[in-house]
Amino acid sequence: GAVVSQHPSWVICKSGTSVKIECRSLDFQATTMFWYRQFPKQSLMLMATSNEGSKATYEQGVEKDKFLINHASLTLSTLTVTSAHPEDSSFYICSAFVTSGFTDTQYFGPGTRLTVL
Amino acid sequence: ILNVEQSPQSLHVQEGDSTNFTCSFPSSNFYALHWYRWETAKSPEALFVMTLNGDEKKKGRISATLNTKEGYSYLYIKGSQPEDSATYLCASGGGADGLTFGKGTHLIIQP
Repeated sequence: GAVVSQHPSWVICKSGTSVKIECRSLDFQATTMFWYRQFPKQSLMLMATSNEGSKATYEQGVEKDKFLINHASLTLSTLTVTSAHPEDSSFYICSAFVTSGFTDTQYFGPGTRLTVL
Repeated sequence: ILNVEQSPQSLHVQEGDSTNFTCSFPSSNFYALHWYRWETAKSPEALFVMTLNGDEKKKGRISATLNTKEGYSYLYIKGSQPEDSATYLCASGGGADGLTFGKGTHLIIQP
């Protein structure tokens, strides 16, 4: 249980184009999903929190107009990188938040490697 | 400590040996400490979520301890096997908030 898929697993695009990444919880519903990115040799860094039916909240330094997040259902959140530039090349990974009893866990997708040429 | 720090960055261990590594985190405003195992091209796998000072959790040959007062957690692997090779991440935070991750410990088990 608690499987999260992410699509695509990798994408190469030209500078100036937009790229959409999908994050799905396959066997559970998640009111909250998170988006992280990881630059080489760095830790996973939280970009934004995606709440179903409401606007996402972005971490400091993350441009909301550049990284559009939509969480239209309890099983799907999308991240669109608009007008991508080479500096947006990174590893993007999502997680879905699940509460169970006294603990709560974030379950992660396998990530998306974005390369902007 | 302002960030989550993990040490060592990488570790080579002989098959059958036991090993451990460290995660340091800010002790103020502590919520929970998470350990994940991350194999290449796969999703990070949740190992433990720990909240109480002194807590100790075990899953097979892997166990973890937590000291929230001094802000550290240890992950232990007993009798390492090749399938234990992975990057082990720790993260502080959780609930409806995001996680703050360390850079991970890259573990390689040598047959």
